[in-house]
Amino acid sequence: DTGVSQDPRHKITKRGQNVTFRCDPISEHNRLYWYRQTLGQGPEFLTYFQNEAQLEKSRLLSDRFSAERPKGSFSTLEIQRTEQGDSAMYLCASSLVGGQGLSPLHFGNGTRLTVT
Amino acid sequence: AQSVTQLGSHVSVSEGALVLLRCNYSSSVPPYLFWYVQYPNQGLQLLLKYTSAATLVKGINGFEAEFKKSETSFHLTKPSAHMSDAAEYFCAVSDTSNTGKLIFGQGTTLQVKP
Repeated sequence: DTGVSQDPRHKITKRGQNVTFRCDPISEHNRLYWYRQTLGQGPEFLTYFQNEAQLEKSRLLSDRFSAERPKGSFSTLEIQRTEQGDSAMYLCASSLVGGQGLSPLHFGNGTRLTVT
Repeated sequence: AQSVTQLGSHVSVSEGALVLLRCNYSSSVPPYLFWYVQYPNQGLQLLLKYTSAATLVKGINGFEAEFKKSETSFHLTKPSAHMSDAAEYFCAVSDTSNTGKLIFGQGTTLQVKP
């Protein structure tokens, strides 16, 4: 169990640019979640996948945001035409759902995005 | 809809003193409840979880929490604070559907004074 890995740890970009983040979940986990956390707030749910299927998207996820999990393993989160309000920590989490129910979410260390 | 309220955005205790972090939840069904800890520039680490078994839940690092249905509370305690406990703590409730999605409170920053 190497944990949930996120890359990059930090990203600074100029307003209007596109950015892409990557998340590698715990290998046997079939669910993957993306959250956004702004300073002084708790994480807010963005979207989640079961295997390669994206099952839910929050209304926080505007059409500038897109997430994929093409082979049911790693996931990417892309933000197009970034805005200063997109500055936040983007957290990825994974869990296993199966015969034993649902395991707790295991979080990565996040990608901190700063839009200048 | 599920929600979580953490009372007190900042709590300060002396080293060796009791830690009490408050969490109240709102849920239309019996909830699953969690406490996570976050150190600076890191992700969230699970401290403990309540999943309708024992109402007193023991977690890592000496923390425990008690589920009180009548008070809709799930407060986190530790008998004796250590300097390494200084961090941000989040209470969360699971979504009522089977998504596994968590709804977080706004967090409480714990400061431990020497």
